[in-house]
Amino acid sequence: SYELTQPPSVSVSPGQTARITCSGDALPKQYAYWYQQKPGQAPVLVIYKDSERPSGIPERFSGSSSGTTVTLTISGVQAEDEADYYCQSADSSGTYLVFGGGTKLYFL
Amino acid sequence: EVQLVESGGGLVQPGGSLRLSCAASGFTFSNYWMHWVRQAPGKGLVWVSRINSDGSSTSYADSVKGRFTISRDNAKNTVYLQMNSLRAEDTAVYYCARDYVDTALHYYGMDVWGQGTTVTVSS
Repeated sequence: SYELTQPPSVSVSPGQTARITCSGDALPKQYAYWYQQKPGQAPVLVIYKDSERPSGIPERFSGSSSGTTVTLTISGVQAEDEADYYCQSADSSGTYLVFGGGTKLYFL
Repeated sequence: EVQLVESGGGLVQPGGSLRLSCAASGFTFSNYWMHWVRQAPGKGLVWVSRINSDGSSTSYADSVKGRFTISRDNAKNTVYLQMNSLRAEDTAVYYCARDYVDTALHYYGMDVWGQGTTVTVSS
């Protein structure tokens, strides 16, 4: 079955830039989506179609794609950004969706 | 207010069945595809199933194929997940989420989620 690979954790100092990667063989063909989840809460969509930002999501969140890797970038990380982040995409046929294993963003 | 509210979770014995419901309000339900996503305690998100806007097309993760059935009633603005032959590994919080999909079958992402309903499979 298709898999997306994320690093388990990323550490950053407040105000710095955090980058979270997600790798998958079908990413050149399928869009990626990024979700933020805080403890005890439902996920929130922060990036869709690789690099689009939903209304209400701060501009410090951005997404990019290069080959089989997509990247979520958070510029000027703030305290409230400490959370788990999940990438999501689909297999090459677009039939089956999949989430990455999640990345915990925490402050140094 | 745009909202999704799940219900139907609970404690069930292995091999048992449960039907989850997700009631939508505040938007045109019939315009959206719907997903079920689950999260086992302390674990990550796992996509379970999706249904298209008119209910004519469904797909399932391999782990639930043949045991779970997704359906929807657009007149009642509700999506369902019938879960049969439940196993301990199905224990999780189950979320429903909406997704807009355009005519080119491009997903726009799960932009609205419910609060989740907890399913516990245990004897």
